Amino acid sequence: AVQLVESGGGLVQPKESLKISCAASGFTFSNAAMYWVRQAPGKGLEWVARIRTKPNNYATYYADSVKGRFTISRDDSKSMVYLQMDNLKTEDTAMYYCTGGVSLDYWGQGVMVTVSS
Amino acid sequence: DIVMTQAPLSVSVTPGESASISCRSSKSLLHSNGITYVYWYLQKPGKSPQLLIYRMSNLASGVPDRFSGSGSETDFTLKISRVEAEDVGIYYCGQLLENPWTFGGGTKLELK
Repeated sequence: AVQLVESGGGLVQPKESLKISCAASGFTFSNAAMYWVRQAPGKGLEWVARIRTKPNNYATYYADSVKGRFTISRDDSKSMVYLQMDNLKTEDTAMYYCTGGVSLDYWGQGVMVTVSS
Repeated sequence: DIVMTQAPLSVSVTPGESASISCRSSKSLLHSNGITYVYWYLQKPGKSPQLLIYRMSNLASGVPDRFSGSGSETDFTLKISRVEAEDVGIYYCGQLLENPWTFGGGTKLELK
């Protein structure tokens, strides 16, 4: 069965950094584009970042709200995807979901990131 | 950015009856390859979102055939026939045609 398991969330202060991770299993990870989608408390879904596969040069894309502050990366040898978040703002407080599949078929359980002083 | 607008914000349905949720995009989601890149997701209470419908009208694996998707280039409908208790949650439409991918604000389905 497909599994996506996020980790690394927590409470940080504004302007600090945090790196969250996602461990994937149950599908051919190296063939799959991967994404991060977030959901602020009581709000809807917001796509954050996308990373394509090796044949597509691991191209990355970001929402304007995080461009220049967040970096998505992947390690195909470990079936892992990461989100490095720098210069965090209070408005980045959200549940962060790791997702995969052409249609966002697979979703992890999410990891909470809270940015507060 | 493509704006996705859903209606209504919430819908209350008697079990066994049907429900429809609308979604409108600010730009055509019909690609030149003939595929319409609109998707539907359900987030059950306290859970992660799950894929229901992909490419406007295709049922995701394991999703009951009580769910169906239809539409045109900019107007889309999710229909749920014979609503059951397990269908309660927030439904989101989304477009995966062009970056940034965007979602509608969500429609909450409750039971009467």
